[in-house]
Amino acid sequence: NAGVMQNPRHLVRRRGQEARLRCSPMKGHSHVYWYRQLPEEGLKFMVYLQKENIIDESGMPKERFSAEFPKEGPSILRIQQVVRGDSAAYFCASSPPRLASTDTQYFGPGTRLTVL
Amino acid sequence: KNQVEQSPQSLIILEGKNCTLQCNYTVSPFSNLRWYKQDTGRGPVSLTIMTFSENTKSNGRYTATLDADTKQSSLHITASQLSDSASYICVVSAWNNDMRFGAGTRLTVKP
Repeated sequence: NAGVMQNPRHLVRRRGQEARLRCSPMKGHSHVYWYRQLPEEGLKFMVYLQKENIIDESGMPKERFSAEFPKEGPSILRIQQVVRGDSAAYFCASSPPRLASTDTQYFGPGTRLTVL
Repeated sequence: KNQVEQSPQSLIILEGKNCTLQCNYTVSPFSNLRWYKQDTGRGPVSLTIMTFSENTKSNGRYTATLDADTKQSSLHITASQLSDSASYICVVSAWNNDMRFGAGTRLTVKP
């Protein structure tokens, strides 16, 4: 049973380009969470999605960032017109259909985005 | 102000020694508290999960405690090993599954 997979593991973009980060949840998990971790800082929640549905995007910047989790395929975090401040590690986590108090999220290895 | 505060920010100990990491929170209404270990360059891995009714939870050499009255938790590491060097993150969830992450404690275990 493969864990949460993210790709690419490392992504380099120039300012103004688009970055697409992919996350495949664990088998049987239909909930996906995206987090950003700036250098030397803690994880910060960005968005929580179910299949074809955004549940909570309160942590997502209002501009340039979008996320989706289509019926088929991985979840995508998309950053348009990247700026240097977007350089960070982006982690995806997945959980079972209902995150009970005793369930845990399983994190992927992260995608390290570097904006030149 | 962050609703989850961890201390110390960083800690250096010698191999074989014990240490205790602290987590204070203001998240309400409280649902559960989780401790994660994050190795450098890796995703966080769950160590313990505690609900309101649990005071302590162990996972090998890791023991977490929870005082829901004072809204404090601690993670105690016994007989530290070099592989314990990592960041330890406290995550507190409210009843609506809103999760708040602490900034983490960076632990370095030296030989």
